[in-house]
Order: sequence, then structure tokens, then C-alpha cells
Amino acid sequence: QKEVEQNSGPLSVPEGAIASLNCTYSDRGSQSFFWYRQYSGKSPELIMFIYSNGDKEDGRFTAQLNKASQYVSLLIRDSQPSDSATYLCAVDTGANNLFFGTGTRLTVIP
Amino acid sequence: NAGVMQNPRHLVRRRGQEARLRCSPMKGHSHVYWYRQLPEEGLKFMVYLQKENIIDESGMPKERFSAEFPKEGPSILRIQQVVRGDSAAYFCASSPTRGFDQPQHFGDGTRLSIL
Repeated sequence: QKEVEQNSGPLSVPEGAIASLNCTYSDRGSQSFFWYRQYSGKSPELIMFIYSNGDKEDGRFTAQLNKASQYVSLLIRDSQPSDSATYLCAVDTGANNLFFGTGTRLTVIP
Repeated sequence: NAGVMQNPRHLVRRRGQEARLRCSPMKGHSHVYWYRQLPEEGLKFMVYLQKENIIDESGMPKERFSAEFPKEGPSILRIQQVVRGDSAAYFCASSPTRGFDQPQHFGDGTRLSIL
């Protein structure tokens, strides 16, 4: 069983729409959850992280965490073509590293 | 540039040669992590170091791979006698301390190609 699972996509949304990215994890003891954006051939760039149940908003981005369901999501409002990238979900289980999903490829269509 | 610095950005080696990848963490960060990313796969943890100490190398192959983070200078990931399967992007990340609320910040990576 994979530690962190994401739909690989591609997920296509029209410009201005809301993009919803989902992630599930297997370790109930996981403590914090991170969303990174990775453009092709580039480094993972931290968008936001969350460690308490509920929602956390930062600009056009909202992270949602439900520890009971072992589920974390990222919503991108007013999607822009520049948001087209692969979004990586990462989980800190309390070990010395992050466990990453394989990423969801998002395409925002102008 | 106050970010995580990795060099070289691209490295080409022939089978059997050695590869050395360098990483300078962000200013004020003393915790360094190395990850490997194969095409179409997620990042996989390799090793976690603090200054002069390897804290966790559970993700690093037992043979041919080694890592260090000396008191002075960058962290080095060393791959001896490279094979084709070592071709990947190697990313370094750093954090100021180790904690659930301490995100890791990544460098631009080194793309290693084995001929």
C-alpha cells in the first residue's frame, strides 16, 4: 500500500475555474501535510502546509485536512494558465523525511 | 540568492565513473535532506543529515552511495561506479530545524545522466 496517493491526472480546468486536487495517506499518525508545485524540469516549490483539521487559506489557495478520513486537498480558485504544473502532496509521518505522492498534473486552459 | 543551491544542474557520467552532487542549504538551515526522483515517479527520500552527522540513511542504497555534510562547506551526495539505473533527478532540501511545522525547501536539483 502506497503511503501517499494522488490521482495522476491530467486534470484540466478552464481559466477562472476552481481546481481541486486530492490526496490520501495511509499513516494515521501523520502530523503535517504539504503541497508543492513542480513545473517540468524544475524544483518542487512549497505552496502551503497544514497540520490542523479544517481549512487553511492563502491567497487563491486553500488546503483542507480531514485526519479522520486521512484526506487532504488543495483548492485553487480563479485558476490561471500559469498554475499549470504538477502538484505534489507530501506527508510528514514523524519520521525523518517526507513521503511524496506521484503528483497530479494540472492543465489550466485559457 | 538565499535559496537552496545545488550544483551542477546537469551531470553526465559514463558507467563506472563517480558522481558528486553538492548542496548548500538555505542560510540558517542546518538540516539537509536528499531525495531522488525517477521519471514519472514521486520523490523518494534517501538521506537526512545535520552538520557532521548522518541522522537517517534508510532510503539510501547500501552500496555505492554515500553522503556527508561537513562542518564547513556543502553537503555532498556521492555515487561510486554509476550504473544506468542511477539516472535521475537528485534534489536537496533544507529546513532550519526538524519539526512537523518546519517545511522543507528544495533546490533546483541535479539531473544525472549515465551513458
